[in-house]
Amino acid sequence: DTAVSQTPKYLVTQMGNDKSIKCEQNLGHDTMYWYKQDSKKFLKIMFSYNNKELIINETVPNRFSPKSPDKAHLNLHINSLELGDSAVYFCASSLSQTLGPQHFGDGTRLSIL
Amino acid sequence: GQNIDQPTEMTATEGAIVQINCTYQTSGFNGLFWYQQHAGEAPTFLSYNVLDGLEEKGRFSSFLSRSKGYSYLLLKELQMKDSASYLCAVRVGYALNFGKGTSLLVTP
Repeated sequence: DTAVSQTPKYLVTQMGNDKSIKCEQNLGHDTMYWYKQDSKKFLKIMFSYNNKELIINETVPNRFSPKSPDKAHLNLHINSLELGDSAVYFCASSLSQTLGPQHFGDGTRLSIL
Repeated sequence: GQNIDQPTEMTATEGAIVQINCTYQTSGFNGLFWYQQHAGEAPTFLSYNVLDGLEEKGRFSSFLSRSKGYSYLLLKELQMKDSASYLCAVRVGYALNFGKGTSLLVTP
């Protein structure tokens, strides 16, 4: 299936732990994104990579570090997890940074205990 | 900052037509997108406007007026499965800035 896929779908962990979320797209897109959707359902951009190069880095704590090993993958590593990090994290991709709509993965539901 | 406003909630009847408005004040403009998001699922792309006017796609249409900073999404022949959140998003530079979404409830 052609899609944006992210793993895991659910992540339950304790405060202070370090965790990673993986994202892969097989749409042949050049640009990938990470969004955070909070409990009020507000969707906010965190990072964007174009062809493995960081192009958007919003005001996000530096505990969050994205990594793009190639243009089909964009992973998100989070250090020292805090209660406020509980949210749904969506990965997305688009044809380029200015062309085409963004296609979203199914989301990773992160719960911090 | 970017300001994108849409109503929080709307209710409409199955078979009817509903219009969801979105107004924006942003520091740039590279297009306006509408997404549909069912509870617990990913946002899915519905429509895109970059020039003024109406774009029609089956039961869904979207309108844009750049001079007024205004868009609407029109849903015709409403079905129960159209109950979802509808997100207006403006592309500024490379980033999509989302409104807080309109939760639409379709009743029998």
